[in-house]
Amino acid sequence: QLQLRQSGPRLVKPSETLSLTCIVTGGSINSYYWSWIRQPPGKPLEWIGYIYYNGSTTYGPSLKSRVTMSVDTSENQVSLKLSSVTAADTAVYYCARDCFFSVARQSYSCFGLDVWGQGTTVTVSS
Amino acid sequence: EIVLTQFPGTLSLSPGDRATLSCRASQSISNNFLAWYQQRPGQAPRLLIYGASSRAPGIPDTFSGSGSGTDFSLTIKRLDPEDFAVYLCQQYGSSPRTFGQGTKVEIK
Repeated sequence: QLQLRQSGPRLVKPSETLSLTCIVTGGSINSYYWSWIRQPPGKPLEWIGYIYYNGSTTYGPSLKSRVTMSVDTSENQVSLKLSSVTAADTAVYYCARDCFFSVARQSYSCFGLDVWGQGTTVTVSS
Repeated sequence: EIVLTQFPGTLSLSPGDRATLSCRASQSISNNFLAWYQQRPGQAPRLLIYGASSRAPGIPDTFSGSGSGTDFSLTIKRLDPEDFAVYLCQQYGSSPRTFGQGTKVEIK
């Protein structure tokens, strides 16, 4: 059964870089897009962006200038970095499995965000 | 960016009641790529419905989704105690993916 296990610091100082990792177990990272989403306290979910297993990325507009996503296929994991954080970046951060892309058929299969990590509560504070 | 508006914001119902939740998009959603999630306090969202009307694996048939274009709904046929939670819609037909603000289904 596919599971996503998140790890990373829960406390980050203002102006520093938030770094989180999402390890995929029970399945392969290959051929899928992997999304990052966050939920500030009392606010709706915000999609941060996604990364394809080959490293191709698409970022949402609000955080685009500060976000970097990467993939390590040998470790079956994806990572998120958010630079120059402020208190407004305090949130629960999630990774989730997104669409499947078949290179052979050149077609997408999308079923929503069907598997989620457990979430990481990150607080930005000095 | 597609804006999703969910209504009502809160639904106060009793166990055994039927719940109907709505999600309206600011523009038509490509391929009806609209998903519904349930989120309980302190937990990650759980996928219920994808493609506007297809149930995710393991989701009971008390949950059903309908709609197309810009207007979508989620129906819970009979509310069980564990169904009282926040429900979110999300479009994944275009980038950026966007979420609605949620409907809280609470016990009356």
